[in-house]
Amino acid sequence: AQSVTQLDSHVSVSEGTPVLLRCNYSSSYSPSLFWYVQHPNKGLQLLLKYTSAATLVKGINGFEAEFKKSETSFHLTKPSAHMSDAAEYFCVVSDTSGTYKYIFGTGTRLKVLA
Amino acid sequence: KAGVTQTPRYLIKTRGQQVTLSCSPISGHRSVSWYQQTPGQGLQFLFEYFSETQRNKGNFPGRFSGRQFSNSRSEMNVSTLELGDSALYLCASSLPDYNEQFFGPGTRLTVL
Repeated sequence: AQSVTQLDSHVSVSEGTPVLLRCNYSSSYSPSLFWYVQHPNKGLQLLLKYTSAATLVKGINGFEAEFKKSETSFHLTKPSAHMSDAAEYFCVVSDTSGTYKYIFGTGTRLKVLA
Repeated sequence: KAGVTQTPRYLIKTRGQQVTLSCSPISGHRSVSWYQQTPGQGLQFLFEYFSETQRNKGNFPGRFSGRQFSNSRSEMNVSTLELGDSALYLCASSLPDYNEQFFGPGTRLTVL
């Protein structure tokens, strides 16, 4: 069975400092992995995705993530946080065995301090 | 290209009633998935439709049902509403390769 664990439910950073949101996954198959962001009272927006191409994935708004198979991790990073990055972030694994459904992590709420 | 649209955006119902939510996918997308988001349970998969057929189903009771029309628009129905059904219901559509889902803004359902 596939699963994803977001290691921090809340992360606080100061504006201009790096962001690290941690995600570990479990999958019996070669996974597809995603990071989505959700701003208050909004739907989910795709930040980036890994689908077995390059292990370092660049996304929108300066975010990137590195797929590390040996560590079963897919951590999200950004060099410099902006106030507009304050939101909830979800790590997602997609079952590529045939069911195609998304399995969501529990989310990490990012707070950016002025 | 228009995104995924969901109607209505907000709904208030009382226990025992039934509700129908609608989702229009991005043009050309034939797969539509539904998710329930609550503070306690997070984001949970309800079901997925492809070419008018339910292809996958999550672990929800039979009160939750859905359908998809020939134009790929989808509806989900919840019968005999319970307080615990209060949630944000998100719809997502994708192309046949399924590797990326595009989400709508959601329907906020409140059950009183």
